[in-house]
Amino acid sequence: EVQLVESGGGLVKPGGSLRLSCAASGFTFSDAWMSWVRQAPGKGLEWVGRINTRSEGGTTGYAAPVKGRFSIARDDLKNMLYLQMNSLKTEDTALYYCTTRDPVRGVIGAFDIWGQGTMVTVSS
Amino acid sequence: SYELTQPPSVSVSPGQTASITCSGDKLGNRYACWYQQKPGQSPVLVIYEDTKRPSGIPERFSGSNSGNTATLTISGTQAMDEADYYCQAWFSNTVLFGGGTKLTVL
Repeated sequence: EVQLVESGGGLVKPGGSLRLSCAASGFTFSDAWMSWVRQAPGKGLEWVGRINTRSEGGTTGYAAPVKGRFSIARDDLKNMLYLQMNSLKTEDTALYYCTTRDPVRGVIGAFDIWGQGTMVTVSS
Repeated sequence: SYELTQPPSVSVSPGQTASITCSGDKLGNRYACWYQQKPGQSPVLVIYEDTKRPSGIPERFSGSNSGNTATLTISGTQAMDEADYYCQAWFSNTVLFGGGTKLTVL
């Protein structure tokens, strides 16, 4: 079964750090571009960033609101994706989803695999 | 900066056709996709590459994309289709989502 399972969310003070993890299974993780998407309470979806495959250089890209504060990494041996979040702000409070496209189905430009999300609350 | 604009809400009667638009400059030059999200659930891809349906998505869901507007159409709308819908596209190696449309079936 294709699955993404996020973990690591919690309550953190402004200015603090948190690392989220995403465990992938059921597909060839090393072939997949991986992204993080977040959703603030009662708000819409917001793309956070992505990482390419290692064979493509493992290049990362980030949305403007998180650039310079967040970083994405992957461990293809463990089938794990990470989101390191530093200098957290109250506006970073959101449910964070790990998402990708199934490399076999190969949909172009869309995400057809989503995790259940992990909640991050930034508050003093 | 580039934006994808959706109407905040759309209402439709059961059995009728619902259309949800997504507008962006020259959006028709890029692939657009659509997600359905019900309360407390993760998003589900319902249309990709403008017009294609993933396996398991009912035929009543269809899409189009031309000019500056992508459109999600739900024919014969059912109560179970009540949800938030988001359009999405890639721009310069980044991903943009529309603000979302709440579809009410009444």
